[in-house]
Amino acid sequence: AQSVSQHNHHVILSEAASLELGCNYSYGGTVNLFWYVQYPGQHLQLLLKYFSGDPLVKGIKGFEAEFIKSKFSFNLRKPSVQWSDTAEYFCAVITLTGGGNKLTFGTGTQLKVEL
Amino acid sequence: EPEVTQTPSHQVTQMGQEVILRCVPISNHLYFYWYRQILGQKVEFLVSFYNNEISEKSEIFDDQFSVERPDGSNFTLKIRSTKLEDSAMYFCASSEEAPRRGAGETQYFGPGTRLLVL
Repeated sequence: AQSVSQHNHHVILSEAASLELGCNYSYGGTVNLFWYVQYPGQHLQLLLKYFSGDPLVKGIKGFEAEFIKSKFSFNLRKPSVQWSDTAEYFCAVITLTGGGNKLTFGTGTQLKVEL
Repeated sequence: EPEVTQTPSHQVTQMGQEVILRCVPISNHLYFYWYRQILGQKVEFLVSFYNNEISEKSEIFDDQFSVERPDGSNFTLKIRSTKLEDSAMYFCASSEEAPRRGAGETQYFGPGTRLLVL
């Protein structure tokens, strides 16, 4: 069964610092990759997604992620974080086999951005 | 922008009682899902539903759980006899299509129902 690992459980940054959150998955076949964000008191929102094509994908609010197939990774990056980026970030994978369509989530990374 | 909605936002129930969690998916979506997140743990898949039948379910989704689309708009999750360990945040999601090779589809999530079983 596929699994998703997020190595950083809690990250604290100052405003304007650069961000990179790690995500690795365990499935060797075709995958769809997602980052979701959950702001305090709000629901899961899609930040960005990778289906195919250019492995560097850009999402909302200045976030981007790079799919590196050889490393089974899909790390999330932002060059300069803002206080409003304080949230929990979830990496998720769909494996495209046999019509299965469930999202497998990582454990999440709680990001706190300090002023 | 269309959103998935869920009711109630919070539910407290006694162990052994039945609960029904309600969801209204995005109107033109065809695939519906339930996930749950136990406090401090990862979001876990429960079940997916398409064309009025379950298309996939996890080991968590045992005989105590059922899903239904009683009309053209609602999608419900019923827990027949709740247990303490069912306490969690339950998320509904919907997508326009299912993922397929060479393409993909995004699942949009509702705000969740926080269920507390006492």
